[in-house]
Amino acid sequence: SQQGEEDPQALSIQEGENATMNCSYKTSINNLQWYRQNSGRGLVHLILIRSNEREKHSGRLRVTLDTSKKSSSLLITASRAADTASYFCATDGEGGSNYKLTFGKGTLLTVNP
Amino acid sequence: GAGVSQTPSNKVTEKGKYVELRCDPISGHTALYWYRQSLGQGPEFLIYFQGTGAADDSGLPNDRFFAVRPEGSVSTLKIQRTERGDSAVYLCASSSAGGGQFFGPGTRLTVL
Repeated sequence: SQQGEEDPQALSIQEGENATMNCSYKTSINNLQWYRQNSGRGLVHLILIRSNEREKHSGRLRVTLDTSKKSSSLLITASRAADTASYFCATDGEGGSNYKLTFGKGTLLTVNP
Repeated sequence: GAGVSQTPSNKVTEKGKYVELRCDPISGHTALYWYRQSLGQGPEFLIYFQGTGAADDSGLPNDRFFAVRPEGSVSTLKIQRTERGDSAVYLCASSSAGGGQFFGPGTRLTVL
């Protein structure tokens, strides 16, 4: 089963614009992680936010978490063509687990030069 | 330091054959995970090791799939009597206690 669902499924923007992707999930979590994937291969870990955190920053990335709404958002500021990739959120906590990640289908981000 | 490595990067096999996929985790990471990703989907959990033991193998689809981690470092995912439906990218990840999971580049398995 897939707990996390990203929205939108696809996003196309111009270089320099900001990109916002959203993730909703169903059960209680310990942590939520965002990953990037190029060309359907390895996942690059972007950021981990814990359930008691509301916002986290890393470079051009900003992640928010609203546990009352069971949702998270990933903001990429000043996007670059190299940011073109699929972005996944992954949650733990399903079945009481703090290690088993459940992924959504991802958002395909295209940044046009 | 080096990240998670996986070999081979690509594996093509015939239906009914046996395959082994290898994962080398980040040095010092005690936890190791296997996931499988089909086209257009997010990764799906297969198995989790803490040290040498499989702490949770609930994601393995059937008894044709088996994984080992005999010395608590390198892990091998073994698939017997492969079927066309086993075709996917097999991803390995490792983590330290309480840390995020870091993934390898994956092995793309194609069963003809």
